[in-house]
Amino acid sequence: EIVLTQSPATLSLSPGERATLSCRASQSVSSYLAWYQHKAGQAPRLLIYGSSNRATGIPARFSGSGSGTDFTLTISSLEPEDFAVYYCQQRSNWPLTFGGGTKVEIK
Amino acid sequence: EVQLLESGGALVQTGGSLRLSCAASGFTFSRYAMSWVRQAPGKGLEWISIISTSSTNTYYADSVKGRFTISRDNSRNRLHLQMDSLRAEDTAVYYCVKEENYSGYEVLDYWGQGTLVTVSS
Repeated sequence: EIVLTQSPATLSLSPGERATLSCRASQSVSSYLAWYQHKAGQAPRLLIYGSSNRATGIPARFSGSGSGTDFTLTISSLEPEDFAVYYCQQRSNWPLTFGGGTKVEIK
Repeated sequence: EVQLLESGGALVQTGGSLRLSCAASGFTFSRYAMSWVRQAPGKGLEWISIISTSSTNTYYADSVKGRFTISRDNSRNRLHLQMDSLRAEDTAVYYCVKEENYSGYEVLDYWGQGTLVTVSS
């Protein structure tokens, strides 16, 4: 099973700041890495697929990069609605696995 | 608009059974693989099962293999999860999720709001 390790566990930032979230895989997942946003009480939302492709309707302030074992999700300038938990997920090998999540909270 | 509405969540005793359902609308259900993903209280997301369009192929996480069964009814646009031999660690919100293929990448593109399953002795 591929283990995804996300860091940091919590990121405390102010609106307008840049957020950089990391996801590291225990073995290569090529570019089969997606990012999801999850707010309490809501359905998770797909943000990024194929490591760097924004899903439909996702604002340009969200960007993804990386390949192999190291990936990054960047939010260029945090909006109030961006404070949430973010998960990476790999689709390279079964079973599908998620990282433990990074909570982006208001400082 | 894609809508996924889960139902069937409840409080159940350890060792008991429960059947979750998901009503899908807003897309051609029979054309898409479907998954179940869960989130235990205070924990992250855990994928647990997937079913292909015609039910030919199913896969399970080791944590539920042999106890849970995924199925679908394409005539009624319904996804199901039969949960047997339930354990306390199965307590979670269960999400019904639509699969999609974007340029060769399989993703979980639409999620329901979830249904809560609580397993207690």
